[in-house]
Amino acid sequence: DQQVKQNSPSLSVQEGRISILNCDYTNSMFDYFLWYKKYPAEGPTFLISISSIKDKNEDGRFTVFLNKSAKHLSLHIVPSQPGDSAVYFCAASRSNRDDKIIFGKGTRLHILP
Amino acid sequence: ETGVTQSPTHLIKTRGQQVTLRCSSQSGHNTVSWYQQALGQGPQFIFQYYREEENGRGNFPPRFSGLQFPNYSSELNVNALELDDSALYLCASSFQGFGRNEQFFGPGTRLTVL
Repeated sequence: DQQVKQNSPSLSVQEGRISILNCDYTNSMFDYFLWYKKYPAEGPTFLISISSIKDKNEDGRFTVFLNKSAKHLSLHIVPSQPGDSAVYFCAASRSNRDDKIIFGKGTRLHILP
Repeated sequence: ETGVTQSPTHLIKTRGQQVTLRCSSQSGHNTVSWYQQALGQGPQFIFQYYREEENGRGNFPPRFSGLQFPNYSSELNVNALELDDSALYLCASSFQGFGRNEQFFGPGTRLTVL
């Protein structure tokens, strides 16, 4: 049972345009959401997070939006740059302290020149 | 500041064998989590160690076991290897204190079971 779903396996975006990566979740106990970025032969690196008490969090070119009623979050990257080409994982954790993170399957983002 | 390191980078085993993977946590971190990433999937939580005790476990059988040492480094042991154990094994370290703490991942160990 996939509790965190990324329904787009891949996405291609022109350099300079906005990249929008989407994620849905099913478990209403999740209260903290994260995006990780992964390059080949490297481990995932933390990108940005959002608590369930917020609906938006911004960090430079990256903004995460959370719609709790729809159990949906999205990551916006603007403007997209060639170095953004990577696999992006949406992840979530619950309000207890075990820090267990549930990951989606990932979306491969290609930034086109 | 040294990041999370894992060894070996990759290895090949046969069904039924046992394997030990190692992880050195980032300086200042006291918690290590292990994840399995199968091809085309996201990382799946195996278990977490905090202060040398198991602190949460995912849906993995008992043949997956671990250890955390006083210096906070960790081992993942898998007994009676099966073909489906072929995956990238990721270790992540964090500091468990107050509030949410970011997990920093190592580059992973690629395990192939033949």
